[in-house]
Amino acid sequence: SAVISQKPSRDICQRGTSLTIQCQVDSQVTMMFWYRQQPGQSLTLIATANQGSEATYESGFVIDKFPISRPNLTFSTLTVSNMSPEDSSIYLCSVELGRVGGDSYEQYFGPGTRLTVT
Amino acid sequence: ELKVEQNPLFLSMQEGKNYTIYCNYSTTSDRLYWYRQDPGKSLESLFVLLSNGAVKQEGRLMASLDTKARLSTLHITAAVHDLSATYFCAVDESRKLIWGLGTSLAVNP
Repeated sequence: SAVISQKPSRDICQRGTSLTIQCQVDSQVTMMFWYRQQPGQSLTLIATANQGSEATYESGFVIDKFPISRPNLTFSTLTVSNMSPEDSSIYLCSVELGRVGGDSYEQYFGPGTRLTVT
Repeated sequence: ELKVEQNPLFLSMQEGKNYTIYCNYSTTSDRLYWYRQDPGKSLESLFVLLSNGAVKQEGRLMASLDTKARLSTLHITAAVHDLSATYFCAVDESRKLIWGLGTSLAVNP
């Protein structure tokens, strides 16, 4: 497994501003993911962030709105730019690790960042 | 496009009862995951199911996978209050997870 931390754990921001969320992992991982989970909803993948390459964004998400950095194998940031109340959500990072025994891989999640935009 | 459906979305059950949560998906996949999420918390991995007929059990929870029917089940045996949480299934699509809407489970004394 992996120990994943996120900063900040929560924030209240004004519309039009930007917030950068940090995700730190205690081991080196190739694949990291950023998700959004709106209140009472399921998870939606924003982008996949692999070290050494540009992030790959899912349909409906663009780099100008959600720029991502992945400077090394243990760290990533997601910025939510020019925020509006519709961006109020929980943002989760996750990492993919191989399972013990080598039969597959699975994703482990950070604690999440609860963002409220007023 | 892979779609994942869970049902029921809400489940209220009494302690000691048994129940099953269903997860259907629309296209072929060889990996299915079950996660648990407590209110205000992150997601905890419960099971990884890799092959047709796979069955895994942990305590009062048992998960199974039928890849031909594109169906996974999460069976709860003799529910206890501590199992109250939201349970998600997620299906692998080319190393991305496609998520169901979740089943919010409340176990009442």
